[in-house]
Amino acid sequence: GAGVSQSPRYKVAKRGQDVALRCDPISGHVSLFWYQQALGQGPEFLTYFQNEAQLDKSGLPSDRFFAERPEGSVSTLKIQRTQQEDSAVYLCASSLDSRTNEKLFFGSGTQLSVL
Amino acid sequence: AQSVTQLDSQVPVFEEAPVELRCNYSSSVSVYLFWYVQYPNQGLQLLLKYLSGSTLVKGINGFEAEFNKSQTSFHLRKPSVHISDTAEYFCAVRNAGNNRKLIWGLGTSLAVNP
Repeated sequence: GAGVSQSPRYKVAKRGQDVALRCDPISGHVSLFWYQQALGQGPEFLTYFQNEAQLDKSGLPSDRFFAERPEGSVSTLKIQRTQQEDSAVYLCASSLDSRTNEKLFFGSGTQLSVL
Repeated sequence: AQSVTQLDSQVPVFEEAPVELRCNYSSSVSVYLFWYVQYPNQGLQLLLKYLSGSTLVKGINGFEAEFNKSQTSFHLRKPSVHISDTAEYFCAVRNAGNNRKLIWGLGTSLAVNP
């Protein structure tokens, strides 16, 4: 596709429910990032993939958060037993694998509301 | 640990006036610096970046920024703004090494008024 696509655009979950957020990166982009953006805040790093390898997951806030990219393309961020503090916009970004010339292309995000 | 401070949460300005959005960072290692813009209902997009070399970098839409190592700043400027520049602007920093995690500021909301 022309850009990074995220789905769903909006998700409302009841506390305790599991959710799965999908990211389709730009075709050919090797690197994929997940960020969490709370209301009125800047994005916060969650995790990063290079192809199918998850190279950094230091930003995942708890073991309820899990991300995968099994074929090195589409990625899914899963949140188990959602809590109210998980409410945020979840941003996905992709880039060519160029560690010294990084330009991230962002999707429009998934806005998660946990009631 | 690295951090980014955007000194102004909101900047109102009249059309065709100059604007400066301020960004300071802290880091014990060499850094790369970025400015991203988020227009209403759109995803973040890169305005400009500093990796090395000339400290004055030019980006899209007439924006430029200057890296000042001694003052640990990377302020964004535009000599004459348009209504269409109304958006949220984010400064971000990352380690110049292999760690590709970006640390972001809280953002500055630029409102351009006619």
